[in-house]
Amino acid sequence: ETGVTQSPTHLIKTRGQQVTLRCSSQSGHNTVSWYQQALGQGPQFIFQYYREEENGRGNFPPRFSGLQFPNYSSELNVNALELDDSALYLCASSGAPRDEQFFGPGTRLTVL
Amino acid sequence: SQELEQSPQSLIVQEGKNLTINCTSSKTLYGLYWYKQKYGEGLIFLMMLQKGGEEKSHEKITAKLDEKKQQSSLHITASQPSHAGIYLCGADVIWTGTASKLTFGTGTRLQVTL
Repeated sequence: ETGVTQSPTHLIKTRGQQVTLRCSSQSGHNTVSWYQQALGQGPQFIFQYYREEENGRGNFPPRFSGLQFPNYSSELNVNALELDDSALYLCASSGAPRDEQFFGPGTRLTVL
Repeated sequence: SQELEQSPQSLIVQEGKNLTINCTSSKTLYGLYWYKQKYGEGLIFLMMLQKGGEEKSHEKITAKLDEKKQQSSLHITASQPSHAGIYLCGADVIWTGTASKLTFGTGTRLQVTL
């Protein structure tokens, strides 16, 4: 059984640029949640996708958007990057929206 | 919104000593998760508690959810260097019929000295 994987592991961008982060769900999971973790803080919920539809969203602006594909892998897109977007981005997959969530290793994004 | 407060924020213990980390919620907890995180890495699931008074153990780690379901504790017996890391509690917040999200505390950083 393959766990949750994320790519890339690290990324450096400049203000104003756009970025796409990718997540591959654990086998058999149809739900993906994305979290942002700033240094020294707990993860903050961005949104959740269930069967290719957005299933809930946290307090993040519209420039944070996502996609889920038929194979249940997912993307997080961030437009017009700001310095405060520098963080560890975590995705978590689950068998259903309210099931236990399994986290990937994260993507560390640095915005200069 | 649900707030989770963890204490202590950081902890340094000598190998072999016991320790307890607390997680207090501003609202009733319907699902409480404990995760461990190595610096800059993903979260490793430890255990989930749902019922008031529930207690679960895995190896040398025991977690309990109090009867009133607003506080959880994580206890490590005979700590080892492998226990070092950041411990996060997460509350399962349900705001629609199907959607749920985890709200996390700020974490407790544990160091185990030899």
